[in-house]
Amino acid sequence: GAGVSQSPSNKVTEKGKDVELRCDPISGHTALYWYRQSLGQGLEFLIYFQGNSAPDKSGLPSDRFSAERTGGSVSTLTIQRTQQEDSAVYLCASSLASGTGYQPQHFGDGTRLSIL
Amino acid sequence: GDSVTQMEGPVTLSEEAFLTINCTYTATGYPSLFWYVQYPGEGLQLLLKATKADDKGSNKGFEATYRKETTSFHLEKGSVQVSDSAVYFCALSDRGGSGNTGKLIFGQGTTLQVKP
Repeated sequence: GAGVSQSPSNKVTEKGKDVELRCDPISGHTALYWYRQSLGQGLEFLIYFQGNSAPDKSGLPSDRFSAERTGGSVSTLTIQRTQQEDSAVYLCASSLASGTGYQPQHFGDGTRLSIL
Repeated sequence: GDSVTQMEGPVTLSEEAFLTINCTYTATGYPSLFWYVQYPGEGLQLLLKATKADDKGSNKGFEATYRKETTSFHLEKGSVQVSDSAVYFCALSDRGGSGNTGKLIFGQGTTLQVKP
């Protein structure tokens, strides 16, 4: 079956521009996570969505970062006024409801974001 | 807060050598532990997991045992192959359920290079 799909796979943009990254989770997965993978910081948690509950935004590095999840499915991560330190690979993962205990997370291939 | 520390790489081995990648963790609760692998040009994949003390996770010849007394989850393989060359990440998560998200906290990653 289809896995987690992310788009675009690569994005190059100029400093100061806004970018939107998209994640399409596995059908039926109610939990969705965004992570960032960068050379200096490794893999970091950004934000978590579970069904209709308020998201856990505790990992977002600044107020330039925001995310939404429409209809409990597709999610977009938006970075406003991009800075060079935002350059990284942004990974999305989905799982069955985490509220039932441990559920494995399935990762997409990521979006490689480069800020010039 | 919770954290994961793993040995720095790169680790370079000859084919059929024994592999150990050390991983230790700090957690306030009783986490689940994981090893993820990222092969060149591919996305992050779950390699193995353990959800309680003394559990042994295993997959593809790799093993790791959840040691609560030493807060460790070292990855081992008896005989590595060239195809095992990849980046390996140790990670923990809370156990899901009420108030928990199941978000993953990763170590920095260890690059393994296996030479023929």
